[in-house]
Amino acid sequence: DQQVKQNSPSLSVQEGRISILNCDYTNSMFDYFLWYKKYPAEGPTFLISISSIKDKNEDGRFTVFLNKSAKHLSLHIVPSQPGDSAVYFCAASKWAGGGADGLTFGKGTHLIIQP
Amino acid sequence: DTAVSQTPKYLVTQMGNDKSIKCEQNLGHDTMYWYKQDSKKFLKIMFSYNNKELIINETVPNRFSPKSPDKAHLNLHINSLELGDSAVYFCASSHERGSTDTQYFGPGTRLTVL
Repeated sequence: DQQVKQNSPSLSVQEGRISILNCDYTNSMFDYFLWYKKYPAEGPTFLISISSIKDKNEDGRFTVFLNKSAKHLSLHIVPSQPGDSAVYFCAASKWAGGGADGLTFGKGTHLIIQP
Repeated sequence: DTAVSQTPKYLVTQMGNDKSIKCEQNLGHDTMYWYKQDSKKFLKIMFSYNNKELIINETVPNRFSPKSPDKAHLNLHINSLELGDSAVYFCASSHERGSTDTQYFGPGTRLTVL
């Protein structure tokens, strides 16, 4: 039962261009969404998040868009840089009145930035 | 300064053994977690724990048990290891238990059961 889906296992983008990573979810109880970046042999590191009450959040080169009606979010990276090459995980969580049960992750998208 | 650390980084062991993975966080967080990343690359929550409550993912076998000697540590004990336990295990922590609290992850422990 995959509640968070990242349908593109990999994405190749030229340096300087825009990278767009997509994520879909099925559980309407999710109210907070996050993107994590992961390099090989390291743990995921937090990148950016968005609450379900917003439709956009921006932090430098990174922007996350949320379309609640479509249960879809996307991460835009502009401009893409070589150091952005990593696996990007989409994650979601739901408020459980103080008893959150952790993040639900997608399978990740391997972003490759080509020089 | 490593915020969330795990030891060992690699663990190779035989089926049937009992092993532990240690996790420490120096962020002063109240909540810690264990995640498992299986061969299909899914990261799945196993436990979340703070000094008040342990929440266990119902799919986790009772051979797995978290032990917290203090707020900064959450160790993972695994009894009677099975081949299917081979995976990368990530520890994480957050300030509080809540959907908006950012979780910080350790580097992972790759467990191989032979």
